[in-house]
Parts: sequence; structure tokens; C-alpha cells
Amino acid sequence: NAGVTQTPKFQVLKTGQSMTLQCAQDMNHNSMYWYRQDPGMGLRLIYYSASEGTTDKGEVPNGYNVSRLNKREFSLRLESAAPSQTSVYFCASSSRGFSNQPQHFGDGTRLSIL
Amino acid sequence: QQQVKQSPQSLIVQKGGIPIINCAYENTAFDYFPWYQQFPGKGPALLIAIRPDVSEKKEGRFTISFNKSAKQFSLHIMDSQPGDSATYFCAASKETSGSRLTFGEGTQLTVNP
Repeated sequence: NAGVTQTPKFQVLKTGQSMTLQCAQDMNHNSMYWYRQDPGMGLRLIYYSASEGTTDKGEVPNGYNVSRLNKREFSLRLESAAPSQTSVYFCASSSRGFSNQPQHFGDGTRLSIL
Repeated sequence: QQQVKQSPQSLIVQKGGIPIINCAYENTAFDYFPWYQQFPGKGPALLIAIRPDVSEKKEGRFTISFNKSAKQFSLHIMDSQPGDSATYFCAASKETSGSRLTFGEGTQLTVNP
């Protein structure tokens, strides 16, 4: 009964380094999302994938890229990390791309960029 | 620009009290308004949601009140318990944008024993 699994849970990077955050869901959901959470700013959508094979930009896409590898997996890549990307990153999924479908979240990746 | 504004930023109540968290939105196309609850070290989880065709929805001790004309909605927690201590987020979405959610800033609730 894993739901949405994110790896790693914690990561420290130096400015300019690259890394990929992994996300996998086992609920056979079509839609997947990447958010960042910063104090006092709520959750902001970075990218989302309405279905396998499609991705779209969210509110704050600059500095990130995504890959919907298959129906289960949706990865987020930082090509050249910047201190402004220090945040907690959450992956979520929902069964279909309709507004009333609840989103199920993973427990987050805490990323610090020095 | 923050399309969903949430207040207060933090809230402390005694056990049994009724904390109220408020949200205001700008986009009249929003047609679904969920509340998410987040415990420390965990991801948010859906708590309760409402559509604008009703003015109130109750699930257990949690109630959403919705005022379409004022473009405001609020979460009330009846008989609050220390276990309700968490961060609460309101959100909004519109059918034309699929399941994309716009979140409020969050409210950190502490319920003292």
C-alpha cells in the first residue's frame, strides 16, 4: 500500500550541480504533478502530466525539466541547481485529469542547495 | 500573483475550541474548492472539498462554509483536538484546467491540550 513514493528523501547539492528527483505511484493514476513548498507560499505547481506521454508547465517551471517515463513514474530534473531552488518538493498523482479528483501526495524530498 | 489568499498564517487554540481558517479567491471560473491537511514530514492529504453550488458541507468535525458572492470560503473545526495540529491548505481548481490546483499560503494550526 505504498501510494506515491519519492526518492531521495533528503539531498544537499552545491550550486551548479544537477540531479533528478524520482517519483513513482502504484495506484494506476493517469495524472501526475510536481510541486515545491516554500514557507508562506503554499504549494506551487512546477510541472504536471495529465496522462502518459504528455507534460505541461505549471506556475514555476523555470530551471526544471520533467520526464513522464511511463504511467507509474514522473521525474523532475534540476540541470544546474541554484540556491533559490532550495525547497521541499512534492510529487502527487490523481486518477484522472478532472478538477474533483483528489491528489495523492508523496512525503516529499527536502533539497538544500549551497 | 496569488489567486487564492489564505489567513491567518498561524493559529493557536485550546482543545475544544473552534478554529476558523479563511480563504478568498479571485478567479470566478474556479469550481472546486478542496482543503488539504499536512502533518510534519508528510505530504498533504485531502480533508474535505466543496463545489460552489452548495453553501456548506460537513464531514465529521470539519465544515466548509462557502460564500460565492464574496468569493470566500472557510474551514471550521468543531471540538478541536491536539491531533488536529497540522498545516491546512485551501485550494481551488477549474474544470477547464483539469485537476490543476492553485493553493493558498497555508495555516499552521496548534491545538493545545
